[in-house]
Amino acid sequence: AQTVTQSQPEMSVQEAETVTLSCTYDTSENNYYLFWYKQPPSRQMILVIRQEAYKQQNATENRFSVNFQKAAKSFSLKISDSQLGDTAMYFCALYNAGNNRKLIWGLGTSLAVNP
Amino acid sequence: GAGVSQTPSNKVTEKGKYVELRCDPISGHTALYWYRQSLGQGPEFLIYFQGTGAADDSGLPNDRFFAVRPEGSVSTLKIQRTERGDSAVYLCASSRSGGSPTQYFGPGTRLLVL
Repeated sequence: AQTVTQSQPEMSVQEAETVTLSCTYDTSENNYYLFWYKQPPSRQMILVIRQEAYKQQNATENRFSVNFQKAAKSFSLKISDSQLGDTAMYFCALYNAGNNRKLIWGLGTSLAVNP
Repeated sequence: GAGVSQTPSNKVTEKGKYVELRCDPISGHTALYWYRQSLGQGPEFLIYFQGTGAADDSGLPNDRFFAVRPEGSVSTLKIQRTERGDSAVYLCASSRSGGSPTQYFGPGTRLLVL
């Protein structure tokens, strides 16, 4: 079975500080991708960052970076220099590059950035 | 187009009615996905199109749900005899091809069944 678990329903951080959101997953596939998406109140699901499982190097996108621990099946998101606009729901998602091409999602973490 | 578009943005209907939700993917994207997101949940997969054909419809909850993509671009999700439990946000996404893992999402349609 493929599953994605986000164990932090809510988190908060002060503006300009750093926060880490946790995600664990389970898959029997070798070729897969992991994603973090952001969903603000507007409902639009926005891609934050993507990690290919075959790459050892952790992905980074400006203030966003991941800590990908393949053996532990862990994929956390670090947001540096948090901004008020980062306030949103954050979803971790798994994509298996075999026949099953849908995204499997966690329940999300609601992040509040406080001024 | 510049991004995935979905219409309507919001839809209110009565129990038992028929509704259609439309998705217009990014131009040139051959793969299209529908997901359903209930309140407080992550999205759940409904159906995936590669071109005009449904490559995987295993997420459709029952035979009241049906989706088409007749020309390989715009897709319509059709729900017959709506039930209150169908109330959710319906998200559409597209990707460059079926083998492209990155999916780009539209703003969703919020469906409320009274």
